[in-house]
Amino acid sequence: GNSVTQMEGPVTLSEEAFLTINCTYTATGYPSLFWYVQYPGEGLQLLLKATKADDKGSNKGFEATYRKETTSFHLEKGSVQVSDSAVYFCARNAGGTSYGKLTFGQGTILTVHP
Amino acid sequence: NAGVTQTPKFQVLKTGQSMTLQCAQDMNHNSMYWYRQDPGMGLRLIYYSASEGTTDKGEVPNGYNVSRLNKREFSLRLESAAPSQTSVYFCASSERSTSNSPLHFGNGTRLTVT
Repeated sequence: GNSVTQMEGPVTLSEEAFLTINCTYTATGYPSLFWYVQYPGEGLQLLLKATKADDKGSNKGFEATYRKETTSFHLEKGSVQVSDSAVYFCARNAGGTSYGKLTFGQGTILTVHP
Repeated sequence: NAGVTQTPKFQVLKTGQSMTLQCAQDMNHNSMYWYRQDPGMGLRLIYYSASEGTTDKGEVPNGYNVSRLNKREFSLRLESAAPSQTSVYFCASSERSTSNSPLHFGNGTRLTVT
C-alpha cells in the first residue's frame, strides 16, 4: 500500500543551523509529494509540493527534491529561525486521480532555540 | 477569510455518548475530508466527500458516519464514543479531489472520551 516514513524527532536546533528532515515513501503509483507544517494550536498548512520525479518544491527558504531513485523527499533549510519551530509532516497522495486523499508520515517536531 | 471552520474546539464525552463535529468552508471547494491525528501516527483519513452528494470511506472509518449537508458543510458523527476515539480531528477541503490542489485545514477539534 501507500505509506510515508519520516525521521523520528524531536529535532532541536540552534538558530541559523542547517535543517534536514528525512522522508521516504513507498514506490506505488505516481504520487505527488508534499510537506505540511503545523504551528501550535493550528491546522496544517501546505509548505511545498512536488508533482513528479526531479521536481524541487520550495517555499520560505525550505526545499525538497522528489527523488524517484531513492523514493525520498527530504526537507532542508539552510538557516532555521525560531519562528520555524513547528511540527512538519511529509505526505503523498495515491497518484492517478486520487489527488485529494493524502497519506501522512508521523510528523517531526522541530524546536529552534535562539 | 475564514477558510475552514470547525466546531467545537474541545469536547469531553463519556463512553457511549454521541456527538457531531461540524465543519464548514467558505472557499467554494468541491471536496472535503475528515482526518484524525494521533501521536506518532500522523494524520489518517476517516471519510471524504469528493463532491456534494457523495461520501466515501478512508483508512479508518469504523465508528464514524458523515454527512455532506451541502457544498459548504461536512459533518462527522460518533454514534457511540469509545476511548479509542480520543484524538484531534481535522476537517479539510480542496478545490477538487481530482486536481493537484492543496488541502486547506481547519484548526481541529480535540476530543477526549473517558
